[in-house]
This record gives sequence, C-alpha cells and structure tokens, in this order.
Amino acid sequence: EVQLVESGGGLVKPGGSLRLSCVASGFIFSSHSMNWVRQAPGKGLEWVSSISSTSDYIYYADSLKGRFTISRDNARNSLFLQMNSLRADDTAVYYCARGLYGTSSEGDNFQYWGPGTVVTVSS
Amino acid sequence: SYVLTQPPSVSVAPGETARITCGGNNIGTKSVNWCQQKPGQAPVLVIYSDTDRPSGIPERFSGSNSGNTATLTVSRVEGGDEADFYCQVWDSSSAHWVFGGGTKLSVL
Repeated sequence: EVQLVESGGGLVKPGGSLRLSCVASGFIFSSHSMNWVRQAPGKGLEWVSSISSTSDYIYYADSLKGRFTISRDNARNSLFLQMNSLRADDTAVYYCARGLYGTSSEGDNFQYWGPGTVVTVSS
Repeated sequence: SYVLTQPPSVSVAPGETARITCGGNNIGTKSVNWCQQKPGQAPVLVIYSDTDRPSGIPERFSGSNSGNTATLTVSRVEGGDEADFYCQVWDSSSAHWVFGGGTKLSVL
C-alpha cells in the first residue's frame, strides 16, 4: 500500500523558516517524481514544486520567488521542502504527492497524496 | 502562464448528472486530470489522462476533453459526491503544474 506522510508543520513567525518532510512507503521511491501542493484556508489547490526521481529536474511556482527549496533523499525514501522568509500568505496545508513518472511531463498525474501538514505563519 | 477556469459551483439533484467544466486555451491538446476533495481530506484522483479512472473510482465518474474545454461528468449523483473538484494539467511551456480554481459540487 502506497503511503505518504508529511511532517514538520507548525506555527512560525513572519520571516522565519521551516523544513517539511514527507516519508514514502509502499513503492519504489527512487522511480517517481515527487511534488508539493498547498492549500490556504478556504482556498483552492496551489502547486508549489516538483522534483524528478534523480533530482535532475526541479521546478517551482513563480509565486515562491526563490524562498523555497525542494530536495529528496532516495536512500531514506524522503522528500523535503525548505521554506525560508515565510510570510502570512504561506499559511496553508502542505501536501506531498507522488508523480506517475520519473519526471513531470504530459500524461503525468498525482495518484497518491499524503494527509498534509499545517503551516501557520503568524506573529 | 497557462490558466484553467472552472465555475465556482454546480448544483444537481440526487440521481441527476453533474457536468463540471475546465476551460483553457487549446486544453484539448493537453492531458487533463481531475481530483475530488472532501472537507478536511486530502485530494483524491478521480480521472487522469482526460478519460481514465483509477482503480476504485466508480464508473459514474467520466471525463472528456476537446477544443478549449475539458469536462468531468458525474452520473447518478449521490449525496456522498458532494465535494470540491479540481482540474489539473502540466504546462510544458512553463514547466509548471496548473490547477483550476475548483468547483464545489452541491447535491440538492
């Protein structure tokens, strides 16, 4: 059974940093791209970042302006999101999701999602 | 950047058919995914590659895609289908995933 479990969320002050983690099980982690998607309170889904299976291809939403860094450790079946210079509008539930292929591409999809971790940015 | 446009809400009576649209420039040339999200839960993929259903998704869920509009159709709607639905595509020109704004399906 495929499982994705996020952690690392919490309350942080504006300008602070957080590192989210997503531990995967039930599939060959090193064969799949991975993604972060967030959802602000009462809002829709917003794609944040994607990383290919070998970390060769990394993509970010334009709105992040270089504040977030995605990475992965295939030996530990883990995905990470380092978030710096956090702002109030980064407050959201952050989901990790598995891609179908090794790299984001036409025909890809997010069949598996974690339950999410809540990030709150407030003073 | 590529934009996907969905109606904010769709309402249908139980047993009727709900159609949720997703508009985008020449979206018919892209592969569209749809996910369903119930309150307090993570999204669930219900349609991928325009028309395919993952294992475990009822046949009542179907998809189509042509021209500038992709459509998710939910037949014989049940109360348990109430949820937010999002369309999603990969925009290769920007190397970005794009989600539609979401449509709330209400069962009257």
